[in-house]
Amino acid sequence: AQSVTQPDIHITVSEGASLELRCNYSYGATPYLFWYVQSPGQGLQLLLKYFSGDTLVQGIKGFEAEFKRSQSSFNLRKPSVHWSDAAEYFCAVAGTASKLTFGTGTRLQVTL
Amino acid sequence: DAGVIQSPRHEVTEMGQEVTLRCKPISGHDYLFWYRQTMMRGLELLIYFNNNVPIDDSGMPEDRFSAKMPNASFSTLKIQPSEPRDSAVYFCASSPPGQGYNEQFFGPGTRLTVL
Repeated sequence: AQSVTQPDIHITVSEGASLELRCNYSYGATPYLFWYVQSPGQGLQLLLKYFSGDTLVQGIKGFEAEFKRSQSSFNLRKPSVHWSDAAEYFCAVAGTASKLTFGTGTRLQVTL
Repeated sequence: DAGVIQSPRHEVTEMGQEVTLRCKPISGHDYLFWYRQTMMRGLELLIYFNNNVPIDDSGMPEDRFSAKMPNASFSTLKIQPSEPRDSAVYFCASSPPGQGYNEQFFGPGTRLTVL
């Protein structure tokens, strides 16, 4: 069965600092990987996705993620965080069928 | 496009009452997903439809939960009878034609409180 682990429940960074959110997945074949963001009281919005090809994918809002098969990881990065990036971030994997399995999320706090 | 529409946005009810949550997917999307989000269990897929047909309902917690999709533009999730442990935010999402690996577009959610 597919699964996702986000080891960091809560992260605090200063505005302007770099950010890396960790995601590890478990799936037997090549996975389809996603990062979603959820602002308070809102639904989830897709930041980026990886299906195949270039292992470094660019997303919206200046985010990027790198797929590393050897480490079963798909970490999300941003070089300079803005206060508006404070939200909860979810990594997800899709295997067979059309089901997404989400991680437990990482809550990002940005200090000014 | 208005995006995925869910109603009501908030629902407060008493234990034992029937609750019906509604969802209108994005026009042209043929996948529809119902999720439940709680602090304890995170985001869980309850059921999903493809072309109005339920494909996988293995996430539905128990017989008290049922979901229907009578047409391509409307779906309901019903809880009867409701219990306090059903309190959660329920999201509906839709996805365009394909294998479902396309982006899932989420609605704003319905916050359900069962007293």
